[in-house]
Amino acid sequence: QVTLKESGPALVKPTQTLTLTCTFSGFSLRTVGMRVSWIRQSPGKALEWLARIDWDDDKFYSTSLKTRLTISKDTSKNQVVLTMTNMAPVDTATYYCARTYDYNDFYFDFWGQGTLVTVSS
Amino acid sequence: EIVLTQSPGTLSLSPGERATLSCRASQSFSSISLAWYQHKPGQAPRLLIFGASSRTTGVPDRFSASGSGTDFTLTISRLEPDDFAVYYCQQYGSSPPTFGGGTKVDIK
Repeated sequence: QVTLKESGPALVKPTQTLTLTCTFSGFSLRTVGMRVSWIRQSPGKALEWLARIDWDDDKFYSTSLKTRLTISKDTSKNQVVLTMTNMAPVDTATYYCARTYDYNDFYFDFWGQGTLVTVSS
Repeated sequence: EIVLTQSPGTLSLSPGERATLSCRASQSFSSISLAWYQHKPGQAPRLLIFGASSRTTGVPDRFSASGSGTDFTLTISRLEPDDFAVYYCQQYGSSPPTFGGGTKVDIK
Protein backbone atom coordinates (compact mmCIF):
# COMPACT_ATOMS: atom_id res chain seq x y z
CA GLN A 1 0.00 0.00 0.00
CA VAL A 2 1.45 3.31 -1.10
CA THR A 3 1.22 6.17 1.36
CA LEU A 4 2.81 9.58 1.60
CA LYS A 5 2.66 11.96 4.53
CA GLU A 6 3.87 15.53 4.77
CA SER A 7 5.24 17.01 7.96
CA GLY A 8 6.61 20.35 8.97
CA PRO A 9 5.79 23.51 10.87
CA ALA A 10 2.27 24.86 10.70
CA LEU A 11 3.45 28.43 11.20
CA VAL A 12 6.56 30.20 9.95
CA LYS A 13 7.55 33.83 10.15
CA PRO A 14 8.30 35.98 7.13
CA THR A 15 11.91 35.63 5.91
CA GLN A 16 12.31 32.27 7.63
CA THR A 17 13.19 29.05 5.85
CA LEU A 18 10.54 26.34 5.61
CA THR A 19 11.57 22.71 5.77
CA LEU A 20 9.01 20.08 4.85
CA THR A 21 9.45 16.33 4.96
CA CYS A 22 7.56 13.78 2.91
CA THR A 23 7.72 10.33 4.46
CA PHE A 24 6.48 7.58 2.22
CA SER A 25 5.93 3.85 2.26
CA GLY A 26 4.97 1.16 -0.21
CA PHE A 27 7.61 2.08 -2.76
CA SER A 28 11.29 2.90 -3.07
CA LEU A 29 12.96 5.89 -4.63
CA ARG A 30 15.63 3.47 -5.81
CA THR A 31 13.18 2.07 -8.36
CA VAL A 32 13.76 3.24 -11.92
CA GLY A 33 11.01 5.63 -12.97
CA MET A 34 10.07 6.61 -9.44
CA ARG A 35 9.76 10.31 -8.69
CA VAL A 36 8.40 12.48 -5.89
CA SER A 37 7.13 16.02 -6.34
CA TRP A 38 6.03 18.83 -4.08
CA ILE A 39 2.87 20.69 -5.02
CA ARG A 40 1.09 23.47 -3.15
CA GLN A 41 -2.28 25.13 -3.14
CA SER A 42 -2.69 28.64 -1.82
CA PRO A 43 -6.18 29.64 -0.65
CA GLY A 44 -8.42 30.23 -3.63
CA LYS A 45 -5.74 29.35 -6.14
CA ALA A 46 -4.88 26.46 -8.40
CA LEU A 47 -2.50 23.69 -7.50
CA GLU A 48 1.08 24.71 -8.25
CA TRP A 49 3.88 22.25 -8.92
CA LEU A 50 7.06 23.23 -7.07
CA ALA A 51 9.80 20.64 -7.44
CA ARG A 52 10.58 17.03 -8.27
CA ILE A 53 13.30 14.55 -7.43
CA ASP A 54 13.86 11.37 -9.40
CA TRP A 55 15.20 7.92 -8.58
CA ASP A 56 18.54 8.87 -10.13
CA ASP A 57 18.73 12.06 -8.02
CA ASP A 58 17.84 14.35 -10.91
CA LYS A 59 16.10 17.45 -9.56
CA PHE A 60 13.69 19.85 -11.23
CA TYR A 61 12.25 23.13 -9.97
CA SER A 62 9.53 25.59 -10.75
CA THR A 63 11.15 28.35 -12.78
CA SER A 64 9.57 31.09 -10.70
CA LEU A 65 10.67 29.58 -7.37
CA LYS A 66 13.91 27.95 -8.38
CA THR A 67 16.16 30.29 -6.44
CA ARG A 68 14.31 29.56 -3.19
CA LEU A 69 13.82 25.79 -3.39
CA THR A 70 15.97 22.80 -2.61
CA ILE A 71 14.74 19.22 -2.85
CA SER A 72 16.62 16.21 -1.55
CA LYS A 73 16.02 12.60 -0.68
CA ASP A 74 17.08 10.12 1.94
CA THR A 75 16.42 6.79 0.32
CA SER A 76 17.25 4.80 3.45
CA LYS A 77 14.59 6.68 5.42
CA ASN A 78 12.05 6.84 2.55
CA GLN A 79 11.92 10.60 2.84
CA VAL A 80 12.00 13.58 0.52
CA VAL A 81 12.75 17.00 1.96
CA LEU A 82 11.86 20.38 0.51
CA THR A 83 13.32 23.61 1.79
CA MET A 84 11.97 26.99 0.78
CA THR A 85 13.87 30.09 1.81
CA ASN A 86 12.69 33.62 2.48
CA MET A 87 9.09 32.71 3.20
CA ALA A 88 6.42 35.38 2.72
CA PRO A 89 2.69 35.57 3.44
CA VAL A 90 1.96 34.69 -0.20
CA ASP A 91 3.56 31.31 0.46
CA THR A 92 0.73 30.42 2.83
CA ALA A 93 -0.63 27.22 1.35
CA THR A 94 -1.32 23.56 1.78
CA TYR A 95 1.78 21.69 0.67
CA TYR A 96 1.46 18.21 -0.81
CA CYS A 97 3.94 15.59 -1.83
CA ALA A 98 2.97 13.22 -4.60
CA ARG A 99 4.43 10.24 -6.41
CA THR A 100 5.00 9.70 -10.08
CA TYR A 101 5.84 6.20 -11.23
CA ASP A 102 6.38 6.43 -14.95
CA TYR A 103 9.40 6.96 -17.12
CA ASN A 104 7.75 9.41 -19.50
CA ASP A 105 4.46 10.63 -18.09
CA PHE A 106 4.44 12.97 -15.13
CA TYR A 107 1.06 12.53 -13.55
CA PHE A 108 0.71 11.90 -9.83
CA ASP A 109 -0.73 8.55 -8.87
CA PHE A 110 -0.53 8.91 -5.09
CA TRP A 111 -0.64 12.01 -2.92
CA GLY A 112 -0.30 12.85 0.72
CA GLN A 113 -3.11 14.59 2.57
CA GLY A 114 -1.14 17.82 2.65
CA THR A 115 0.13 20.06 5.40
CA LEU A 116 -1.06 23.63 5.88
CA VAL A 117 1.69 26.18 6.30
CA THR A 118 0.80 29.70 7.38
CA VAL A 119 3.32 32.49 7.00
CA SER A 120 2.70 35.23 9.50
CA SER A 121 4.57 37.30 12.02
CA GLU B 1 3.61 27.54 -19.23
CA ILE B 2 0.27 26.07 -20.21
CA VAL B 3 -2.72 27.52 -18.40
CA LEU B 4 -5.67 25.20 -17.83
CA THR B 5 -9.11 26.73 -17.37
CA GLN B 6 -11.81 24.57 -15.85
CA SER B 7 -15.50 25.26 -16.18
CA PRO B 8 -17.87 25.62 -14.61
CA GLY B 9 -16.40 26.64 -11.30
CA THR B 10 -19.25 24.96 -9.48
CA LEU B 11 -21.71 22.37 -10.71
CA SER B 12 -24.80 21.82 -8.57
CA LEU B 13 -26.44 18.51 -9.37
CA SER B 14 -28.50 15.79 -7.76
CA PRO B 15 -27.45 12.18 -7.26
CA GLY B 16 -28.18 10.20 -10.41
CA GLU B 17 -27.61 13.15 -12.71
CA ARG B 18 -24.86 13.43 -15.29
CA ALA B 19 -21.91 15.75 -14.69
CA THR B 20 -19.86 17.20 -17.51
CA LEU B 21 -16.69 19.03 -16.56
CA SER B 22 -14.55 20.98 -18.99
CA CYS B 23 -10.83 21.67 -19.05
CA ARG B 24 -9.43 24.01 -21.68
CA ALA B 25 -5.74 24.59 -22.33
CA SER B 26 -4.16 27.89 -23.36
CA GLN B 27 -2.18 26.05 -26.02
CA SER B 28 -2.07 22.64 -27.55
CA PHE B 29 0.13 19.94 -26.04
CA SER B 30 0.56 16.20 -26.31
CA SER B 31 -3.12 15.35 -26.19
CA ILE B 32 -2.69 12.17 -24.21
CA SER B 33 -0.84 13.99 -21.44
CA LEU B 34 -3.82 14.98 -19.34
CA ALA B 35 -4.93 13.69 -15.96
CA TRP B 36 -7.98 14.23 -13.79
CA TYR B 37 -8.07 14.13 -9.99
CA GLN B 38 -10.81 14.03 -7.39
CA HIS B 39 -10.24 15.90 -4.16
CA LYS B 40 -12.31 15.83 -1.00
CA PRO B 41 -11.65 18.09 1.99
CA GLY B 42 -8.99 16.75 4.31
CA GLN B 43 -8.11 13.90 2.00
CA ALA B 44 -5.33 13.27 -0.45
CA PRO B 45 -6.21 14.04 -4.05
CA ARG B 46 -7.05 10.88 -5.97
CA LEU B 47 -5.95 10.16 -9.51
CA LEU B 48 -8.95 9.22 -11.64
CA ILE B 49 -7.77 9.49 -15.23
CA PHE B 50 -4.40 9.60 -16.97
CA GLY B 51 -3.53 9.64 -20.63
CA ALA B 52 -6.62 11.80 -21.23
CA SER B 53 -9.00 8.84 -21.10
CA SER B 54 -7.52 5.91 -19.13
CA ARG B 55 -9.14 5.16 -15.80
CA THR B 56 -6.75 4.22 -13.03
CA THR B 57 -7.26 1.01 -11.12
CA GLY B 58 -10.38 1.00 -8.98
CA VAL B 59 -12.09 3.98 -10.61
CA PRO B 60 -15.70 3.15 -11.45
CA ASP B 61 -16.69 3.12 -15.09
CA ARG B 62 -19.24 5.89 -14.52
CA PHE B 63 -16.17 8.13 -14.82
CA SER B 64 -15.07 8.73 -18.39
CA ALA B 65 -12.87 11.29 -20.04
CA SER B 66 -12.07 12.43 -23.53
CA GLY B 67 -10.56 15.24 -25.50
CA SER B 68 -7.63 16.35 -27.56
CA GLY B 69 -5.80 19.46 -28.59
CA THR B 70 -6.94 22.08 -26.12
CA ASP B 71 -10.36 20.81 -25.01
CA PHE B 72 -10.89 17.99 -22.55
CA THR B 73 -13.93 16.65 -20.73
CA LEU B 74 -14.55 14.55 -17.67
CA THR B 75 -17.99 12.97 -17.49
CA ILE B 76 -19.62 11.29 -14.52
CA SER B 77 -22.53 9.41 -15.98
CA ARG B 78 -24.67 9.07 -12.86
CA LEU B 79 -23.57 10.91 -9.77
CA GLU B 80 -23.36 8.94 -6.58
CA PRO B 81 -23.12 10.53 -3.12
CA ASP B 82 -19.41 9.72 -2.96
CA ASP B 83 -18.73 11.72 -6.14
CA PHE B 84 -19.43 15.15 -4.69
CA ALA B 85 -15.98 16.71 -4.56
CA VAL B 86 -13.61 19.05 -6.38
CA TYR B 87 -12.14 17.84 -9.66
CA TYR B 88 -8.87 19.07 -11.15
CA CYS B 89 -7.30 18.55 -14.53
CA GLN B 90 -3.53 18.51 -14.98
CA GLN B 91 -1.40 18.55 -18.11
CA TYR B 92 1.98 16.89 -18.21
CA GLY B 93 2.77 17.24 -21.89
CA SER B 94 4.71 20.41 -21.36
CA SER B 95 7.02 21.40 -18.53
CA PRO B 96 6.15 22.48 -15.93
CA PRO B 97 3.10 20.37 -15.18
CA THR B 98 0.14 22.64 -14.52
CA PHE B 99 -3.30 22.27 -13.01
CA GLY B 100 -6.67 23.77 -13.64
CA GLY B 101 -8.44 25.77 -10.99
CA GLY B 102 -10.91 23.01 -10.26
CA THR B 103 -14.63 22.35 -10.61
CA LYS B 104 -16.60 21.78 -7.44
CA VAL B 105 -19.44 19.31 -7.87
CA ASP B 106 -21.88 19.85 -5.06
CA ILE B 107 -25.27 18.52 -4.11
CA LYS B 108 -28.21 20.51 -5.43
